[in-house]
Amino acid sequence: QLVESGGGLVQPGGSLRLSCVASGFPFSNYTMNWVRQAPGKGLQWLSYISSGSSDIHYADSVKGRATVSRDNAKNSLYLQIKSLRDEDTAVYYCAREVDDTVITPVYYFDKWGQGTLVTVSS
Amino acid sequence: SFELTQPPSVSVSPGQTARIPCSGDNLGDKYVCWYQQKPGESPVLVIYQDDMRPSGIPDRLSGSNSGNTATLTISGTQAMDEADYYCQAWDRSTVVFGGGTKLTVL
Repeated sequence: QLVESGGGLVQPGGSLRLSCVASGFPFSNYTMNWVRQAPGKGLQWLSYISSGSSDIHYADSVKGRATVSRDNAKNSLYLQIKSLRDEDTAVYYCAREVDDTVITPVYYFDKWGQGTLVTVSS
Repeated sequence: SFELTQPPSVSVSPGQTARIPCSGDNLGDKYVCWYQQKPGESPVLVIYQDDMRPSGIPDRLSGSNSGNTATLTISGTQAMDEADYYCQAWDRSTVVFGGGTKLTVL
């Protein structure tokens, strides 16, 4: 199970730290991702962090403004975003990534949290 | 940058076959997965590695991928299949989602 928290109303220019707590599986074994969905829009991938935090990537839309981190001892994943803009208003999901790669990369998200809503507005 | 393109909507009559395409440059060289999302719910994985179904997903749902197009096929479409469907692939360490297709069961 994945449970996100930390969403809410934030003023433009502000910052937010989202959390995702995992249970029921060995969290430290999995790469984790953040995905968001603006109201009435599609899914947008934001970031991933490998199991040991050695490999981190961001989408261009949040690069330089977002920091992903994890604490395997607490089974927790985090996403901090600063300089928030109206267009950052969205439901933010954490998702567990499965890696079935043999030769060609095979990655997919088999577990998703329920999401936490972030509203950026003055 | 790599992009995945889906039609905004597809309509199908109950019991008929729905096909939802997802196109991208040389998409057949990558593995594609599909997610189903119903209103107010989180996405659910329905197809991975082009044509594999997670446990619990009915065999009415199937996937294929060749050339520039991946396709999610729903046979014997039921009212419960009405949802948004997203394709997804990986490109150079980034995740790419299609824009999503709203499947309407008329």
